[in-house]
Amino acid sequence: GESVGLHLPTLSVQEGDNSIINCAYSNSASDYFIWYKQESGKGPQFIIDIRSNMDKRQGQRVTVLLNKTVKHLSLQIAATQPGDSAVYFCAEIRTGANSKLTFGKGITLSVRP
Amino acid sequence: NTGVTQTPKFRILKIGQSMTLQCTQDMNHNYMYWYRQDPGMGLKLIYYSVGAGITDKGEVPNGYNVSRSTTEDFPLRLELAAPSQTSVYFCASSYPGAYEQYFGPGTRLTVT
Repeated sequence: GESVGLHLPTLSVQEGDNSIINCAYSNSASDYFIWYKQESGKGPQFIIDIRSNMDKRQGQRVTVLLNKTVKHLSLQIAATQPGDSAVYFCAEIRTGANSKLTFGKGITLSVRP
Repeated sequence: NTGVTQTPKFRILKIGQSMTLQCTQDMNHNYMYWYRQDPGMGLKLIYYSVGAGITDKGEVPNGYNVSRSTTEDFPLRLELAAPSQTSVYFCASSYPGAYEQYFGPGTRLTVT
């Protein structure tokens, strides 16, 4: 079946370094993707999104890259800070009537001081 | 706006008990959702609603019921709690046609 998954369950980075979180999706019909951040004890929070007609989108300290050829999505966080420590989810959707987000399992980002 | 609020934050149920998880949003979103999150797993959609009086099943609806009498509220009902329903439950809402969902803080439910 179709699924959205993440390559690594945990990622540990040094404070100040850049972080790269990867996500593979298997539904080639998906045309919209979202990254969420979930801090401990809280609900997921929207970080950034990207549509399939784009390869790259930048936000504040975050960049999302989309490679449709290999169905791969990545989230880059520049100058990682302790406050970036959280679980990160990618989600995909094929937009249209009755479409629903499919969430990946999540990856834990741990920032070392 | 306070966003999406959920009560209670924590609850322990015995097998066979029932309870209602409350969810309220003040953003005037038409669309609302209930998810469960199990350890190491992605969010699974239980039920959703596109407006007052309209609800539909998601991926894992068995053992749950919902109602949507107002735009603001979307309660989730567990009638006969089972250990398999031990999970963290999240309510979310969104504007029609928008895919970004706003999540509540979650309810951690344990069934023993």
